Amino acid sequence: AQTVTQSQPEMSVQEAETVTLSCTYDTSESNYYLFWYKQPPSRQMILVIRQEAYKQQNATENRFSVNFQKAAKSFSLKISDSQLGDTAMYFCAFMKNSGYALNFGKGTSLLVTP
Amino acid sequence: DTAVSQTPKYLVTQMGNDKSIKCEQNLGHDTMYWYKQDSKKFLKIMFSYNNKELIINETVPNRFSPKSPDKAHLNLHINSLELGDSAVYFCASSLADGTGRFEAFFGQGTRLTVV
Repeated sequence: AQTVTQSQPEMSVQEAETVTLSCTYDTSESNYYLFWYKQPPSRQMILVIRQEAYKQQNATENRFSVNFQKAAKSFSLKISDSQLGDTAMYFCAFMKNSGYALNFGKGTSLLVTP
Repeated sequence: DTAVSQTPKYLVTQMGNDKSIKCEQNLGHDTMYWYKQDSKKFLKIMFSYNNKELIINETVPNRFSPKSPDKAHLNLHINSLELGDSAVYFCASSLADGTGRFEAFFGQGTRLTVV
């Protein structure tokens, strides 16, 4: 079974600063996909970024980037130039069962302060 | 033109009642899902359907019965509601080719409160 662990229940960062959210996972599979989803107070689940395990290059999407360490089974999210609109729950997720279910971590609540 | 839409957004009902949540996607996806988010925000897969066929049923009580009349719809019917069923239920959809490479799109969630 795959497990996803987010060890930081809550984090806070000032506007314009950089913050890193941690995620580790456990799997015996060699090829898989990892995702970060954002859930703002509106409740909508929004895909932030994703990483294919067979790609060594870390994914980036504008201010969002990941540090993917396959051997260490680590997948952290870095948010640069934090904005007030980044305040949300962030979920790390692992795609298991050949694409038929996302396995989520417990989430990190991020607060961006002025 | 919402991609994945759920109705209703909010549902308050008494214990013992039967209720349904509807989900529709207009993205042409072949796979649909139900996830449950509990009071601690933990998200867990309940069901996955691929081309109307049940693929995953994650130890969900028999009181929960998904129904997929076609690839664009996946409804969730809950019998004999219990207090512990109170949660936010998310419908999602994606393409699925067995690789896991496709993004899942989520509906806005249905907050179910059982009193």
